[in-house]
Amino acid sequence: AQSVTQPDIHITVSEGASLELRCNYSYGATPYLFWYVQSPGQGLQLLLKYFSGDTLVQGIKGFEAEFKRSQSSFNLRKPSVHWSDAAEYFCAVGPPQGAQKLVFGQGTRLTINP
Amino acid sequence: DVKVTQSSRYLVKRTGEKVFLECVQDMDHENMFWYRQDPGLGLRLIYFSYDVKMKEKGDIPEGYSVSREKKERFSLILESASTNQTSMYLCASSQDRGQTQYFGPGTRLLVL
Repeated sequence: AQSVTQPDIHITVSEGASLELRCNYSYGATPYLFWYVQSPGQGLQLLLKYFSGDTLVQGIKGFEAEFKRSQSSFNLRKPSVHWSDAAEYFCAVGPPQGAQKLVFGQGTRLTINP
Repeated sequence: DVKVTQSSRYLVKRTGEKVFLECVQDMDHENMFWYRQDPGLGLRLIYFSYDVKMKEKGDIPEGYSVSREKKERFSLILESASTNQTSMYLCASSQDRGQTQYFGPGTRLLVL
């Protein structure tokens, strides 16, 4: 069965520190991979996506993610977080073709200490 | 920019009521989706539609139905609301299969 695991429910980092949010997936083939961010009371906004090609992808707001096929992982990183990055982050996977049914992880809530 | 709007941000209903949640997108997208979001469970797909009058069940369709009479509008219907349907409901749309989904702001539904 397809699944996405975000092992960390809640992470706290200090402003200016680096960040890595983990995402592991279980899928029959190499899926499409996404990271979304949800600010309090808002819908989800796409940060970045991986379909094929270069395994290091750049997104908005200074985020990047690296696809590692051997580890079935798609971890999100940012070198220096800002207070405005406090939000909930969701990893999602979808099929490379056919009906687009995304499977989401449980989410990781990020808190920023001043 | 793609804009997905949902008819209500907050909604309070009584058990047994029929509830309509409306979603409208303005980018002529083919696909539209309804998810519910619950703490610790992430987003779960209720229904999706890839064309007018077409629909497919997602992972948790029980207790819900949908309607898509026009391309830009996708409605989620709770035929008889129950307390376990208290949740955040998110609508999304995408241009084509395999493409990025764009989300609305969500409707937080409380069923008493």
